[in-house]
Amino acid sequence: QVQLVQSGAEVKTPGASLKVSCKAFGYTFTDYYIHWVRQAPGQGLEWMGWISPVSGDTGFTQKFQGRVTMTRDTSISTAYMDLSRLTSDDTAVYYCARADLPRTINYYFNYWGQGTVVTVSS
Amino acid sequence: DIVMTQSPDSLAVSLGERATVNCKSSQSVLYSANNKNYLAWYQQKPGQPPKLLIYWASTRESGVPDRFSGSGSGTDFTLTISSLQAEDVAVYYCQQYLTTLITFGQGTRLEIK
Repeated sequence: QVQLVQSGAEVKTPGASLKVSCKAFGYTFTDYYIHWVRQAPGQGLEWMGWISPVSGDTGFTQKFQGRVTMTRDTSISTAYMDLSRLTSDDTAVYYCARADLPRTINYYFNYWGQGTVVTVSS
Repeated sequence: DIVMTQSPDSLAVSLGERATVNCKSSQSVLYSANNKNYLAWYQQKPGQPPKLLIYWASTRESGVPDRFSGSGSGTDFTLTISSLQAEDVAVYYCQQYLTTLITFGQGTRLEIK
């Protein structure tokens, strides 16, 4: 069955960088866009951006421009989200999610990773 | 970006009663070419990722109980739980996916009265 399995919890100091991975199981990785969504403690869902597993093309919300990089390794069906220059405001659970229609960016998400807890603290 | 605004922020409803959550978009999410509203609803329980409930504004995801229903078009949408059960305590989010810059509402917390 379809699964997205994310990397484990991270503790970072301010100014450091973060890399979260999202490994896909149970479907053809290159068929579906991967999105990244984060959720600060007690807050709502914040969409960050997407990556095309085929081309590596990406799109982000303006808030993260210049600080986020999304990549993928098709040989191991894994997507990555890198976030640099971390501050305490980046403390959140980071989720990867899969769009439900092949080769379509803007779609609803029917599969989510389990979430990666990231704490940024000095 | 399309801004999604939910109301209320929190809601307390008695078991067996109806719960209604509203979602308003800053511009229409109805795509005229296919007459579909690009609007989804998610349920999130503590410590879990969101779960898809409704897409295309009113299509229930497989396995979602039929007490959950979605309605609306254009800019105004509603999620209705016809008879609240204890397991429905959660935060509910709307999401627009009309554009490649996807946005969520701020969430509505649903509790038992």
